[in-house]
Amino acid sequence: NAGVTQTPKFQVLKTGQSMTLQCAQDMNHNSMYWYRQDPGMGLRLIYYSASEGTTDKGEVPNGYNVSRLNKREFSLRLESAAPSQTSVYFCASSEQGAGSPLHFGNGTRLTVT
Amino acid sequence: QKEVEQDPGPLSVPEGAIVSLNCTYSNSAFQYFMWYRQYSRKGPELLMYTYSSGNKEDGRFTAQVDKSSKYISLFIRDSQPSDSATYLCAIFQGGSEKLVFGKGTKLTVNP
Repeated sequence: NAGVTQTPKFQVLKTGQSMTLQCAQDMNHNSMYWYRQDPGMGLRLIYYSASEGTTDKGEVPNGYNVSRLNKREFSLRLESAAPSQTSVYFCASSEQGAGSPLHFGNGTRLTVT
Repeated sequence: QKEVEQDPGPLSVPEGAIVSLNCTYSNSAFQYFMWYRQYSRKGPELLMYTYSSGNKEDGRFTAQVDKSSKYISLFIRDSQPSDSATYLCAIFQGGSEKLVFGKGTKLTVNP
């Protein structure tokens, strides 16, 4: 049972380049999330999707777009990467959103030079 | 005021010690309380989950919630080197999709 799978594990981008971070879950969960984790800042919510077909902004959405491709997959796109987006990105899923524990992937470590 | 405050540590204890990790929160609407453990270069994993005041025990771990004081704690008994990790508290506001995390406390248990 894989749980939440994120690809790639590592990525280096130049300023201005674009990329998409992929996330898939095999637990039949309804809700999916993207967080970023920075030293001293903790985990901050970028976007979430309460159910297939819906997405909402979190605490730090600027510079990002998301797509809930289907119930299993939720992608995060950086259209024009900036050094401030250097971070570790975590995808998570939960069974039904509010009150349901989140299950996390192992992260994508992104460096923007 | 931050919604969830957690002392970042670091905290270093000898093997076998009792560890106490704490968070305070500001919003009385918060209802669901969790503790996550995060090993280096891994994602957070759920350790404890509770939604009521009082204690919840699971093996060597006890989660304690005091809603009147807006204070939550995680106790680790007989701590082991394998408990060395960062511990994050996380709280859901009732009816909200938003899970708010503390910044995490880094714990090292020395053999």
